[in-house]
Amino acid sequence: GQQLNQSPQSMFIQEGEDVSMNCTSSSIFNTWLWYKQEPGEGPVLLIALYKAGELTSNGRLTAQFGITRKDSFLNISASIPSDVGIYFCAGQLIGSSWGKLQFGAGTQVVVTP
Amino acid sequence: DAGITQSPRYKITETGRQVTLMCHQTWSHSYMFWYRQDLGHGLRLIYYSAAADITDKGEVPDGYVVSRSKTENFPLTLESATRSQTSVYFCASTDRADTEAFFGQGTRLTVV
Repeated sequence: GQQLNQSPQSMFIQEGEDVSMNCTSSSIFNTWLWYKQEPGEGPVLLIALYKAGELTSNGRLTAQFGITRKDSFLNISASIPSDVGIYFCAGQLIGSSWGKLQFGAGTQVVVTP
Repeated sequence: DAGITQSPRYKITETGRQVTLMCHQTWSHSYMFWYRQDLGHGLRLIYYSAAADITDKGEVPDGYVVSRSKTENFPLTLESATRSQTSVYFCASTDRADTEAFFGQGTRLTVV
């Protein structure tokens, strides 16, 4: 079953606000990935994290690999309308076959002008 | 065009019928994956393949069959479709260098 708990499930925010979401697990991961999915499309990779404690930015997006290796968060600063979509965390469990990812259930982000 | 493509994009089939979803990638990636996406579940791995002729089960393999005779193709077959297999199916591929997986646009399958 699903081992990643992603929260919140949905967020309704105003343009310009910051967004924060996270994924937690009781298991240890060696890789964390954050994807964005827009309607009718497949997920697109935003940020990849490979080391505990790693903090990585991609434009207005910042993600961190938790020091315990059991969690990760994604922040979006100064949101804009095109940030609308579903954001997924994904992780590779330590000891699992390479490339097999566990996905969170997603965070739906709605940005109002 | 380079990339990963899925076909068909939309499919309606009847319960009990066999249906095959196609996935083709042009990068020569070693690894390919099939996921299904259902509301509230995110993406769940059905099958994956590490190379041609090497496949393994994921989290939800029951009712599905895969093959990989060529590196670039990874078809997914529902041998006898059931209503519970109504879902959006995504194919993905990745190289050995890292675990960044690139996804196709998805196939929306409805079983009636």
